Amino acid sequence: EADIYQTPRYLVIGTGKKITLECSQTMGHDKMYWYQQDPGMELHLIHYSYGVNSTEKGDLSSESTVSRIRTEHFPLTLESARPSHTSQYLCASSSGTSGGETQYFGPGTRLLVL
Amino acid sequence: EDQVTQSPEALRLQEGESSSLNCSYTVSGLRGLFWYRQDPGKGPEFLFTLYSAGEEKEKERLKATLTKKESFLHITAPKPEDSATYLCAGDHTGGFKTIFGAGTRLFVKA
Repeated sequence: EADIYQTPRYLVIGTGKKITLECSQTMGHDKMYWYQQDPGMELHLIHYSYGVNSTEKGDLSSESTVSRIRTEHFPLTLESARPSHTSQYLCASSSGTSGGETQYFGPGTRLLVL
Repeated sequence: EDQVTQSPEALRLQEGESSSLNCSYTVSGLRGLFWYRQDPGKGPEFLFTLYSAGEEKEKERLKATLTKKESFLHITAPKPEDSATYLCAGDHTGGFKTIFGAGTRLFVKA
């Protein structure tokens, strides 16, 4: 069973606020990912990390930033939330170096920006 | 352009009525084809990984198959608890760009 956690599960916040979505995994996986998913739509990769101090932007343009100071922790920050940021945010992790590795997902954070 | 397309978008079945979900992919240098189950308000739950054409994997009422262009998720005698969205994804050369389909929403009525 995958051990990957996200907090908060739900967040309602006003426009302009700074927020941090937390993601932690206890599997020792070197790779971690953040996806954005709107209802009935595909998952879109917004950030990923190869390992500590290594982060890259994904295909979907995002105004968020990430950090990877510890292997197990991959927080995502929005400096100034806007209604267009309303979505579900999913964190995932995997291990391996050759591609084709299974990604394990957290339960998600559902964000509503008013 | 790498793409994963799932059909149908939604499928309604009676309990016990077997069917198949389709996943068509154009992913260069496919490293793995994944199936996930996603319940409302939750993260995707891993089901299967297929690596080469001809490969098949089974789990309870589910069986996944892979050809060079498509993957199928066969559901035999489904139960209401099989109701969920089933996601297909392809992982291509380069490792970090997993392409997800939009999913098939399955409804199984008792």
